Amino acid sequence: EVQLVESGGGLVQPGRSMKLSCAASGFTFNNYDMAWVCQAPKKGLEWVATISYDGSSTYYRDSVKGRFTISRDNAKSTLYLQMDSLRSEDTATYYCARLYYDGTYYYPLFDYWGQGVMVTVSS
Amino acid sequence: DIQMTQSPASLSASLGETVTIECRASEDIYNGLAWYQQKPGKSPQLLIYNANSLHTGVPSRFSGSGSGTQYSLKINSLQSEDVASYFCQQYYDYPFTFGSGTKLEIK
Repeated sequence: EVQLVESGGGLVQPGRSMKLSCAASGFTFNNYDMAWVCQAPKKGLEWVATISYDGSSTYYRDSVKGRFTISRDNAKSTLYLQMDSLRSEDTATYYCARLYYDGTYYYPLFDYWGQGVMVTVSS
Repeated sequence: DIQMTQSPASLSASLGETVTIECRASEDIYNGLAWYQQKPGKSPQLLIYNANSLHTGVPSRFSGSGSGTQYSLKINSLQSEDVASYFCQQYYDYPFTFGSGTKLEIK
């Protein structure tokens, strides 16, 4: 059974840093691209960043470029999101998600999601 | 960025009814569209990809259609477990963007 378990959230002051982790199990982690998607309270979903299966390529939404870093440790089957210079507008639930593979092609959509971890940026 | 306009924002229907949710993209996304269901307090679940392909394990009462800039999700024979919010997502181009969601309730 595919499982994605996030950790590392909580309350942080504006301008400070926080690192999220996502422990993956139930599938061959190093075969899949992975992503972070966030959801502000009572709001819709927002793609944050994607990393390729081997970590060689990363992609970010403009609002987090230069502040957030997505990375992975395939030996530990773990995905990370380092968040620096946090702002109040970064307050959201952050989901770790696996990109979809239909057996032939990889698609930048998400077939498994973690339970989410809340990040609150406030003084 | 490609904007995804989803409608309606909320929807109330009776058990057994058929409901349709629409998503309009600000430019052609060439069927690069997915639909997700998010039940209260839970993480999203993939329903449909490539605009009309049903994800494994999703009941056949869910279907997707559309092309170009206009897409829709149809739920036949509405059941109580379908109470949820539904989101579309375009994955044709970065940044991937989601619709604002449709909250579905039972009358």
